[in-house]
Amino acid sequence: RKEVEQDPGPFNVPEGATVAFNCTYSNSASQSFFWYRQDCRKEPKLLMSVYSSGNEDGRFTAQLNRASQYISLLIRDSKLSDSATYLCVVNKIKAAGNKLTFGGGTRVLVKP
Amino acid sequence: DTAVSQTPKYLVTQMGNDKSIKCEQNLGHDTMYWYKQDSKKFLKIMFSYNNKELIINETVPNRFSPKSPDKAHLNLHINSLELGDSAVYFCASTAGTSGINGYEQYFGPGTRLTVT
Repeated sequence: RKEVEQDPGPFNVPEGATVAFNCTYSNSASQSFFWYRQDCRKEPKLLMSVYSSGNEDGRFTAQLNRASQYISLLIRDSKLSDSATYLCVVNKIKAAGNKLTFGGGTRVLVKP
Repeated sequence: DTAVSQTPKYLVTQMGNDKSIKCEQNLGHDTMYWYKQDSKKFLKIMFSYNNKELIINETVPNRFSPKSPDKAHLNLHINSLELGDSAVYFCASTAGTSGINGYEQYFGPGTRLTVT
């Protein structure tokens, strides 16, 4: 079983609609959680951290469910520019340094 | 100004060759990483250096040897290239190794390596 699993998609979303997707992680010792965004043939960039109480950043809402070991990302009022691959990232504290484990990504295509 | 830069952007080479990829960051960060992203898009950590010291070394073949001449540079040398080495290699940096400083990774644009 992979440490971090995501539905690869693609999620085809009409412009203006809401889309949500989850990511599950296997290691209950995982400390911190993040969503990164990767555009086609580009580098990943941090989208947002995921806090235990859930958090919003504009049209993006992230939730963490430690009991069920998953995190989620919801995008409201989708824009064409939201089309990208969203990478779920989980952090474990090692004896020396952080180690980020990336999921395989969920591809989102927003269409007019 | 590019924060994390990598050269070359594209690298096409034959099996058995030796090649190097270079990475430089001008963010003043202490920690740098090499990641490999394969055709299935999984991004896997290979190495991490903090102030020129190796701190993370995942299960990577010995043919891969990182070198950090100073904390702004992290190079990756690959010996005896194999077909399975074809991937995109990303360099990244963070301000530190713990806490929030270790979480936001700034990635370079990637080096697309094709081994024929």
